[in-house]
Amino acid sequence: AQRVTQPEKLLSVFKGAPVELKCNYSYSGSPELFWYVQYSRQRLQLLLRHISRESIKGFTADLNKGETSFHLKKPFAQEEDSAMYYCALSFRIQGAQKLVFGQGTRLTINP
Amino acid sequence: DTEVTQTPKHLVMGMTNKKSLKCEQHMGHRAMYWYKQKAKKPPELMFVYSYEKLSINESVPSRFSPECPNSSLLNLHLHALQPEDSALYLCASSLGVAGGGDEQYFGPGTRLTVT
Repeated sequence: AQRVTQPEKLLSVFKGAPVELKCNYSYSGSPELFWYVQYSRQRLQLLLRHISRESIKGFTADLNKGETSFHLKKPFAQEEDSAMYYCALSFRIQGAQKLVFGQGTRLTINP
Repeated sequence: DTEVTQTPKHLVMGMTNKKSLKCEQHMGHRAMYWYKQKAKKPPELMFVYSYEKLSINESVPSRFSPECPNSSLLNLHLHALQPEDSALYLCASSLGVAGGGDEQYFGPGTRLTVT
C-alpha cells in the first residue's frame, strides 16, 4: 500500500542551525514526491517537488530510492521557516492523480 | 488569477440542514479535488474530478455529494451531516497532466462545524 511516514511530529532547532525533516515512503512503482508547507494562517502550498531538483527558500530534498526516503534539509534555519511541513506521495490511479500525505512535522525555529 | 478560492470561510450547520461548499479556480486546471482535514492531521482525499468527471471517490459517505458544473467550479453538497464531520474542507486544483509532478494548488478551506 502507498504510505508516507514522517517520524517526527515536532522538531525544534535554533536559528542558524541545520535542519532535517525526515520522510520515508512506501510505493511499488516510480514515486513522485513533494514537500508541502503551511505557514501560520496561510494555505497549504508546494515547497519542493523531487522531479525539479531545485532549491526553494534554501531547502533541498533528494530522493533516495534505495532507502525510500525524501528528507528535507536546510543548512541554516531561519525563524520564518517555522511552519507545518508535509511530505506527500503522488501517483496516478483511475486516470487521476492521488496525493497521500504524511502525518506532518511541526518545525519551530527558536531565536 | 493564480488562486483557488473557497466560500464560505466558515459554516455552522445543524444535522438536518442542507448546505453547499463552493470552490473556484481560473487557472485553466482540469483536475479538482476535495480534502477533509481534521485538527492536527494531514489532509485526507475525498474526491477527484478530472476533466469534469468524477474519477476518485474515497468511499465517502453519501451525505457528501460532489458536483463539478464546469472546469472552473467545484461544489460539495452537504446533507444530514454528523458532528464528527466537523473539519476543515480543502479544495485543490491541478493541471491534470500525467507525470512531471502535477502540482496541486490549495484553497484556504471552509471551516465546517456540525451541531
